[in-house]
Amino acid sequence: DTAVSQTPKYLVTQMGNDKSIKCEQNLGHDTMYWYKQDSKKFLKIMFSYNNKELIINETVPNRFSPKSPDKAHLNLHINSLELGDSAVYFCASSRDPGSGNTIYFGEGSWLTVV
Amino acid sequence: GQNIDQPTEMTATEGAIVQINCTYQTSGFNGLFWYQQHAGEAPTFLSYNVLDGLEEKGRFSSFLSRSKGYSYLLLKELQMKDSASYLCAVNEGNNDMRFGAGTRLTVKP
Repeated sequence: DTAVSQTPKYLVTQMGNDKSIKCEQNLGHDTMYWYKQDSKKFLKIMFSYNNKELIINETVPNRFSPKSPDKAHLNLHINSLELGDSAVYFCASSRDPGSGNTIYFGEGSWLTVV
Repeated sequence: GQNIDQPTEMTATEGAIVQINCTYQTSGFNGLFWYQQHAGEAPTFLSYNVLDGLEEKGRFSSFLSRSKGYSYLLLKELQMKDSASYLCAVNEGNNDMRFGAGTRLTVKP
């Protein structure tokens, strides 16, 4: 039933580890996103994909690598985790990025790096 | 660059009306959105404006002036459950939706 689902919801891990967050949408949307929300609640775009193709790649460290095996999935892999990576990561999707097409968010993945 | 500015915090009384302002300077414009986010939850869509003017949706209304780079969200008959963060977002085109830092609204009895 869930439109945009991401796993895991909570993740606590040590510095230096590599972790992945998975995301799937069953809305038939062409575009998927990863957003990062830090402790100040600022929601910042990291990546967007349209039909498996990378469209936006903001200035995030190259330790972050998105992978889109098909247009319904966009996974986020993070290498060599650092304390500053602690945040909530939201996956989202939308139809064609024309006007009026709102973004639907997943429930978020709370990442804590210790 | 791009800037989307909104007040950090606001407080209002149950039953009252509150207006949350948003000003923006972005490289492109393909519509302005307002989202509501309760603590610990994902943002959810509230309203959308692409043409100048007021869009009304029950207790919530949103206004846009493209020439001024300005929008507001108006919440009427405030309820305790309206306590949340309200995020202004601009669709810049090209799969690019940019968010402001959000306004945390506290509704008091």
